[in-house]
Amino acid sequence: RKEVEQDPGPFNVPEGATVAFNCTYSNSASQSFFWYRQDCRKEPKLLMSVYSSGNEDGRFTAQLNRASQYISLLIRDSKLSDSATYLCVVNFAFNAGKSTFGDGTTLTVKP
Amino acid sequence: DAGVIQSPRHEVTEMGQEVTLRCKPISGHDYLFWYRQTMMRGLELLIYFNNNVPIDDSGMPEDRFSAKMPNASFSTLKIQPSEPRDSAVYFCASSPADRADRFFGPGTRLTVL
Repeated sequence: RKEVEQDPGPFNVPEGATVAFNCTYSNSASQSFFWYRQDCRKEPKLLMSVYSSGNEDGRFTAQLNRASQYISLLIRDSKLSDSATYLCVVNFAFNAGKSTFGDGTTLTVKP
Repeated sequence: DAGVIQSPRHEVTEMGQEVTLRCKPISGHDYLFWYRQTMMRGLELLIYFNNNVPIDDSGMPEDRFSAKMPNASFSTLKIQPSEPRDSAVYFCASSPADRADRFFGPGTRLTVL
């Protein structure tokens, strides 16, 4: 079993749709969690951190469920520009150290 | 403020040749990471350094791969000899000590023929 697992998709949704991605992790001692976005042929970039209380950044909402060991990303009112691969990242420390990336979920938003 | 800088951006070489990838982390960042990304295996951590010291190289695939960080502003990843299965995008990333997220460079797209 992989340490971090994501549904690879692809998710194909129309503009304006709401879409949600889940990511599960196996190490219950994991401390910090992130969502990254990677555009085609580009480097991954931090989208948002995921906090225990849940957090929101505009149309994006991230949540953490430690009991079930999963994190989620919700995108509301999706835009064409949201088309990308979304990577779930789990870190085993609060500061920089070894972290594990999921294989990513591909989202395509269509007109 | 300059981000992580990698060179070359693209490299095409023949099997058996030595390949050297270079990275300049963001100034002041204590951690430096080397990743490899392929369609089949996703993003894999190869090695990471803290204050120029290698901390974990368990992801380095085999002895053909080596990495160095002679100072805080420069690191290299060397493959000798290269093989076609080494073809991938190699990313360098850096982080400050008090943050767990990573700042990635643009990557080096390596093709070994």
